[in-house]
Amino acid sequence: NAGVTQTPKFQVLKTGQSMTLQCAQDMNHNSMYWYRQDPGMGLRLIYYSASEGTTDKGEVPNGYNVSRLNKREFSLRLESAAPSQTSVYFCASRSRTSGVRTDTQYFGPGTRLTVL
Amino acid sequence: KQEVTQIPAALSVPEGENLVLNCSFTDSAIYNLQWFRQDPGKGLTSLLLIQSSQREQTSGRLNASLDKSSGRSTLYIAASQPGDSATYLCAVRWETSGSRLTFGEGTQLTVNP
Repeated sequence: NAGVTQTPKFQVLKTGQSMTLQCAQDMNHNSMYWYRQDPGMGLRLIYYSASEGTTDKGEVPNGYNVSRLNKREFSLRLESAAPSQTSVYFCASRSRTSGVRTDTQYFGPGTRLTVL
Repeated sequence: KQEVTQIPAALSVPEGENLVLNCSFTDSAIYNLQWFRQDPGKGLTSLLLIQSSQREQTSGRLNASLDKSSGRSTLYIAASQPGDSATYLCAVRWETSGSRLTFGEGTQLTVNP
């Protein structure tokens, strides 16, 4: 049981280049999320997907697109990278144990992206 | 605006000390509050989750409390150890935000041997 996996772990891009960050979870969770973490700003939600086939904007969606490919996979795409997108990107998925009303997000190890 | 604040940003204590980390939130209409741990270069790990109807949750040496009326939560760590050194983040799920979380910036804890 790998939990939430992210690829790549590190990436350096030049301004204007595009790339896709991959995320997969093997916990059969319905909801998945993309966050960015920046010094002094905490984690901010970029996009999320409440279930397969649906996606919604979070707090900072500009410059990003997402695809919920299937229940396991949720990718984040930067079409034209900018230096302001230099950050650590985390993917998460959410469990909800029925009957107990617990509600926990599980995080991947992150992708460290630098845009020059 | 719904915001979450953690003060202090950093804390250094000697091993064995009991300590309290603070989290405050601007809107009392919360669904639940979670405390996470983040080790350097790693993702976040959920430590405790408190539902809005609960006052506290405990796991081992950790105890989290919730006071919605004052907009505060605390994470109490008993008998701190060097292995507790990490950044601790609190995150609020608001009643109106669906499953989305709002995070504080975290408190970086260092426990010195």
